Amino acid sequence: DGGITQSPKYLFRKEGQNVTLSCEQNLNHDAMYWYRQDPGQGLRLIYYSQIVNDFQKGDIAEGYSVSREKKESFPLTVTSAQKNPTAFYLCASSPRGKGQAEAFFGQGTRLTVV
Amino acid sequence: AQKVTQAQTEISVVEKEDVTLDCVYETRDTTYYLFWYKQPPSGELVFLIRRNSFDEQNEISGRYSWNFQKSTSSFNFTITASQVVDSAVYFCALNLIKAAGNKLTFGGGTRVLVKP
Repeated sequence: DGGITQSPKYLFRKEGQNVTLSCEQNLNHDAMYWYRQDPGQGLRLIYYSQIVNDFQKGDIAEGYSVSREKKESFPLTVTSAQKNPTAFYLCASSPRGKGQAEAFFGQGTRLTVV
Repeated sequence: AQKVTQAQTEISVVEKEDVTLDCVYETRDTTYYLFWYKQPPSGELVFLIRRNSFDEQNEISGRYSWNFQKSTSSFNFTITASQVVDSAVYFCALNLIKAAGNKLTFGGGTRVLVKP
């Protein structure tokens, strides 16, 4: 079945560590996105990529990094510079350049700093 | 900058009651898309409906209907004859037509609890 797979579902990070969240899609979508969701709040855009080897910062990119080496994959690294990383992270994809197209979302990764 | 406001944080109803979710948006652009997404307990967001700024015709799709009023910048969503499976968090979102892709601006979400 086509869709978006995020792993792991739960992730625990110690203070000062970098962690990488995986996002893979088989929908043949050019564009991919990372959103952050805090309790009781909406989603905020961290990074997005419209095409392989290119990506742009979203509204809250500080403390995060991404890469887009393959069309299917858009991993997100939460670095030690992110001061409050505990949140629910959602990856999404959509056809490129089509503002009307709905985005497809993965099931999310819940990151907790311990 | 765009902004989407969902004033209702939580709504609780009994099964078979209708539920209306409010959404108010702000944008200086005249061309945009509005969306409603559902987030069940499993976590992923599921697309429900979309409306573009050119078309204020309100529609019904099954048990879902929406009321888009450009004059008041509102895009309300109604679930008719609610069911327990409708329990979820619902998000209203805005995307500019000139935007590349889906840089959606989301509201804070409304949690709907449907009791049997």
